[in-house]
Amino acid sequence: DVVMTQSPLSLSVTLGQPASISCRSSHSLVYSDGDTYFNWFHQRPGQSPRRLIYKVSNRDSGVPDRFSGSGSGTDFTLRISRVEAEDVGIYYCMHEVQWPWTFGQGTKVEIK
Amino acid sequence: EVQVVESGGGLVQSGGSLRLSCTASESTVNCDFMGWVRQAPGKGLEWVSIIHRGGTTLYSDSVKGRFTISRDISKNTLYLQMNSLRTEDTAVYYCARNARDLGHHWGQGTLVTVSS
Repeated sequence: DVVMTQSPLSLSVTLGQPASISCRSSHSLVYSDGDTYFNWFHQRPGQSPRRLIYKVSNRDSGVPDRFSGSGSGTDFTLRISRVEAEDVGIYYCMHEVQWPWTFGQGTKVEIK
Repeated sequence: EVQVVESGGGLVQSGGSLRLSCTASESTVNCDFMGWVRQAPGKGLEWVSIIHRGGTTLYSDSVKGRFTISRDISKNTLYLQMNSLRTEDTAVYYCARNARDLGHHWGQGTLVTVSS
């Protein structure tokens, strides 16, 4: 199985300040079709997860442009340019390159 | 916005069975995959099973041989038949509709509690 390792596991951020979460995979996430099937999800307290970013750097519909994704191969980063109160919760990375698809452990983001 | 709604969760004894259902507001075959993700209390996320638009099914090792994923295309409904349930299967089960570039939509989840 591909192991997804996130860091840090918790993050306390001041409103309006940037935040960054890293995710490293144990195998390359480049599929045979040339695409990299790597996603970021956000789960607010008491809610179901919502996908924010797909294929490394593409924002889903309705996701604010303060969220951005980057990376390649096995190393990926989610950046929030200016953290807002609604950004609290747990962020998960996830791959879809081979079965089983797996998630990272999650990074808990709170407001300082 | 695609709507996904799960049902069928509940309390069951170890060794028992449950069937979860998931109805989507859009076709279950007009997306690349549909599947089930579970989240044990206070824990992370785990893919349990998926079905490809072409009908191929895949299962995690933890449920293989006990759970069966299926769909009724005419009803836009996905199912998860769970047999031989164990206490470690206790979790919120989410249905996910994965249309890759076109969206990845989850339901609100349904709680399955397996008692010993």
